[in-house]
Amino acid sequence: AQKVTQAQTEISVVEKEDVTLDCVYETRDTTYYLFWYKQPPSGELVFLIRRNSFDEQNEISGRYSWNFQKSTSSFNFTITASQVVDSAVYFCALSEGETSGSRLTFGEGTQLTVNP
Amino acid sequence: EPEVTQTPSHQVTQMGQEVILRCVPISNHLYFYWYRQILGQKVEFLVSFYNNEISEKSEIFDDQFSVERPDGSNFTLKIRSTKLEDSAMYFCASSDQWRGSKNIQYFGAGTRLSVL
Repeated sequence: AQKVTQAQTEISVVEKEDVTLDCVYETRDTTYYLFWYKQPPSGELVFLIRRNSFDEQNEISGRYSWNFQKSTSSFNFTITASQVVDSAVYFCALSEGETSGSRLTFGEGTQLTVNP
Repeated sequence: EPEVTQTPSHQVTQMGQEVILRCVPISNHLYFYWYRQILGQKVEFLVSFYNNEISEKSEIFDDQFSVERPDGSNFTLKIRSTKLEDSAMYFCASSDQWRGSKNIQYFGAGTRLSVL
């Protein structure tokens, strides 16, 4: 069965600090996809990134970067020079298998608060 | 930018009443989903839908729930006889079948269901 664990329930930082959100996953499939979604206070879920299990290259997008390590089943998310607008709940998610239309299994989420 | 649209944004109902939550997925997407999020908790999968039939459902999606694509644009979730514990945010999502964006699910803003 698939499972996603985000051990950090809440993180509070001061603006301009770097912050890393941890995500550990469990799956028996060799093909799977990992995701990060952002849920701002307004409540919608905003897609940030998708990685597949065959691509362990780290990715950077502006102030965001992701570190995927199959050896530790982790897919961590780092925000560099955090801003107040980054305050949100961040969810890591997993879908198994190669076929389209697979369910997402979400972690519990990490509430990030960036203080001015 | 195409988006998933959900209506209403907030629905209040009495226990035992039927509710229908509506969604307009992104127009060229073929896979549709419903998820729910009880306040302060993680996002949970309910059901996925493809080619006019349910492709997968979770244990939460019991006989009280049903989904339908009544026309070429709408996707609905019906709860036949609401219970207090159905109070949650319900998210609709859609995804396409193309390899480059496989399993990337785009979410609507959600419908907050309050059962009194």
